[in-house]
Amino acid sequence: EVQLVESGGGLVQPGGSLRLSCVASGFTFSSYEMNWVRQAPGKGLEWVAYIGGSGSTIYYADSVKGRFTISRDNAKNSLHLQMNSLRAEDTAVYYCAREDYYSVDDAFDIWGQGTMVTVSS
Amino acid sequence: DIVMTQTPLSLSVTPGQPASISCKSSQSLLHSNGKTYLYWYLQKPGQSPQLLIYEVSSRFSGVPDRFSGSGSGTDFTLKISRVEAEDVGVYYCMQGIHLPPYTFGQGTKLEIK
Repeated sequence: EVQLVESGGGLVQPGGSLRLSCVASGFTFSSYEMNWVRQAPGKGLEWVAYIGGSGSTIYYADSVKGRFTISRDNAKNSLHLQMNSLRAEDTAVYYCAREDYYSVDDAFDIWGQGTMVTVSS
Repeated sequence: DIVMTQTPLSLSVTPGQPASISCKSSQSLLHSNGKTYLYWYLQKPGQSPQLLIYEVSSRFSGVPDRFSGSGSGTDFTLKISRVEAEDVGVYYCMQGIHLPPYTFGQGTKLEIK
């Protein structure tokens, strides 16, 4: 079964750090671009970061640039999001999402269940 | 950044009746390769988003044929021919041509009357 499972969320103080992980199974992870998308409580979806299949191409939303780092370990089928200097406005459910260039023209076709990050003192 | 504007923001529909959601982008989503990178997602209550439509009008695997997408350039529409109870949730359009960033519409909440 094709799936993505996130972990690493939790409660952190403003200014703190957290590292999210997303483990993929059921497909050749290195062949797919990956993204992080977040959703603040009661709000809509916000794209956060993108990484190409080899890890050489990376993009960030302006709201997280310089504070968040996306990375991947293709040998371990895992995607990560290192979040530093966290702010209250980073409070959200964070989803990892597979981007499928081959079949659905770069749509996000597989999503994880999400992991909640709460930034509060 | 491309701004995606959805209307309406909420919709209440009687089962069996049609529903329509509009999505307008601030720039054309037509790529030089001839493809238009407009997607529709549905987030059912308490669930992760799921892909419904890609490239304006192509239904993703397993999506019922009562869902259809149309449009071009900057104006797009998602239609549900006959709404069912399982269709409740929030619908989002998203553009994937001008990166970064990917941008989503604000979402349209569909409820059943």
